[in-house]
Amino acid sequence: NAGVTQTPKFQVLKTGQSMTLQCAQDMNHNSMYWYRQDPGMGLRLIYYSASEGTTDKGEVPNGYNVSRLNKREFSLRLESAAPSQTSVYFCASSESPRNSPLHFGNGTRLTVT
Amino acid sequence: AQSVSQHNHHVILSEAASLELGCNYSYGGTVNLFWYVQYPGQHLQLLLKYFSGDPLVKGIKGFEAEFIKSKFSFNLRKPSVQWSDTAEYFCAVTREGGNEKLTFGTGTRLTIIP
Repeated sequence: NAGVTQTPKFQVLKTGQSMTLQCAQDMNHNSMYWYRQDPGMGLRLIYYSASEGTTDKGEVPNGYNVSRLNKREFSLRLESAAPSQTSVYFCASSESPRNSPLHFGNGTRLTVT
Repeated sequence: AQSVSQHNHHVILSEAASLELGCNYSYGGTVNLFWYVQYPGQHLQLLLKYFSGDPLVKGIKGFEAEFIKSKFSFNLRKPSVQWSDTAEYFCAVTREGGNEKLTFGTGTRLTIIP
């Protein structure tokens, strides 16, 4: 019972490099999310996908793109990484976009130098 | 836009002490309320949730929270903490029927001294 799986767990990038964070869930959830967690700022929503085939911006979307590849997978792409994107990134899923509890992955710790 | 305030940034307690972590939200309509816990090095896990009904909600590991609508609060409590409760605790709110997604507070780091 894997739940929400994120890869990679750690990544170091140089400014300007690109990368994609992968996320997959096996709970048949409709909604998926990408959050970033920074000290003293809690979790901030980057992008979400309420259902397969839809994506929407969250609170801090600048510098990111997402793809809801299918119901299971939701990837986050950094086209040109910046030091301000150094953070811990969490993928999450839920049955519905409003009042269902979120199930989180283990996170990706990204450092941009 | 709705907001969630957790005024206690870092709380340090001794084992067996009682715990209360504050959470206040800004929206006055019908809300759904959550507490999540993040143990060191782990992902967030749901501790408890409130949608409707009895305003005193019991969660896992002996935690409970009380929804007080008049105070826009959803404080987390535990009568006697253990060292294993050391973690970061996040309150989160979403509005019933609204378009906003789950809004998290900035978190409270809890350190339990053995």
